[in-house]
Formats: sequence, C-alpha cells, structure tokens
Amino acid sequence: DGGITQSPKYLFRKEGQNVTLSCEQNLNHDAMYWYRQDPGQGLRLIYYSQIVNDFQKGDIAEGYSVSREKKESFPLTVTSAQKNPTAFYLCASSSPNEQFFGPGTRLTVL
Amino acid sequence: AQKITQTQPGMFVQEKEAVTLDCTYDTSDQSYGLFWYKQPSSGEMIFLIYQGSYDEQNATEGRYSLNFQKARKSANLVISASQLGDSAMYFCAMRGVLRGSQGNLIFGKGTKLSVKP
Repeated sequence: DGGITQSPKYLFRKEGQNVTLSCEQNLNHDAMYWYRQDPGQGLRLIYYSQIVNDFQKGDIAEGYSVSREKKESFPLTVTSAQKNPTAFYLCASSSPNEQFFGPGTRLTVL
Repeated sequence: AQKITQTQPGMFVQEKEAVTLDCTYDTSDQSYGLFWYKQPSSGEMIFLIYQGSYDEQNATEGRYSLNFQKARKSANLVISASQLGDSAMYFCAMRGVLRGSQGNLIFGKGTKLSVKP
C-alpha cells in the first residue's frame, strides 16, 4: 500500500535531549513537509523539501533541523534549542492537487 | 501574505441533516488551490476535497461539496446527510502555486463539528 509512515507514534524527551522523528513515503513524491500542531490550533510549517538534498525553512524552523538524503525519507530532529517542543508533529508529501499526511508523532517533554 | 480564516470554533448538527463549515481566504496570487481536511480524535489528517482557483465548477466528492465564491474569497465546505462518524475537526487550507508547483499549505484554526444522534 502506498502512503506515509511516521515513527514513533509517541515520543518522550527529557529536557536538553535531541530527538529525531522519522518520516518515510513510498508515493514517489518529490516534495515533503513537516508541520507542527498545538492543541486546538491549525498546522504550522516547520521545514519543507522540494527535492533531494535541498530543504527550506518554514514559519517556525527555530530549534529544528532536517535532512533529505533520499527521496523517500525526511527525518526531523527536535534539538534542545527548541524551548517548547511538546506538540503533535505531522509529516506530509504532495502531488499538485493533493497533500497526503502521515499518522503523526506526539512528542512530550518530561 | 496568505491567510485562511475559519470563524466557527464549534458547530453542532443533527444526524442526517446538512451542515456548512465556513472558510474565507486572503491571497494576492492569481492561481491557488483550496483544500479541506478532516481530523478525527486519532490525529490523522484526512484529505476531503480540492478546489482550484480556475475550476469553473464547484468541487464535489461524495457527501462533500465545496461552495466556492471567488469574488467573496470564500470556500465553504458542505456536508450533506451528516453521520455520527463526521464528528471531528475540519481544517480549510490554501496552497499558493507561485511558491512552486508543489507548495506548502497554510491552514485555518479549524472548526470542531459534533453530530448529534
């Protein structure tokens, strides 16, 4: 089945730790995205990548980093510089008229 | 700057009735796309319907239709014959084509729909 997978589903982080969220797609899409969702809010763009080995900052990139070494994969690292990382993180990939989302990772800082 | 506004934080509808969820947008792009997503309590984002700015007819997908009024910059979602499983958050989103053929989406804050039996 084609789609987007994210892992883990739940992630707990201690303060000062870096954590990496996985996102894999087998839809053969060039473009991939990371969004953050806070309770009761819409989604905000963290980073996006239109092509392998290239990515751009979104609206709230501070404290996050990404890589795009393979077309299928777009991992997101939440660094210790991100002061309020507790949120729901959604990865997406797109074709011109659709944007497909993964099931999300819920990150909690302990 | 592009912006999506959803003015209804919450809506109630009786099962089997139709409901309209409001969405207005602001953009200076001439070519753009409008999307609606459903987000149940599990958190997944489910794509419902897409409307291109140059599409002459309103988009329809099963029980979902998009009431697109370009001059008013509105793109309301109409759900006909509501079902209990329609209870969820609904998000309106926009993509600007000038950002690239596969640009990111800008989301509204969402409307929580509750369907009553």
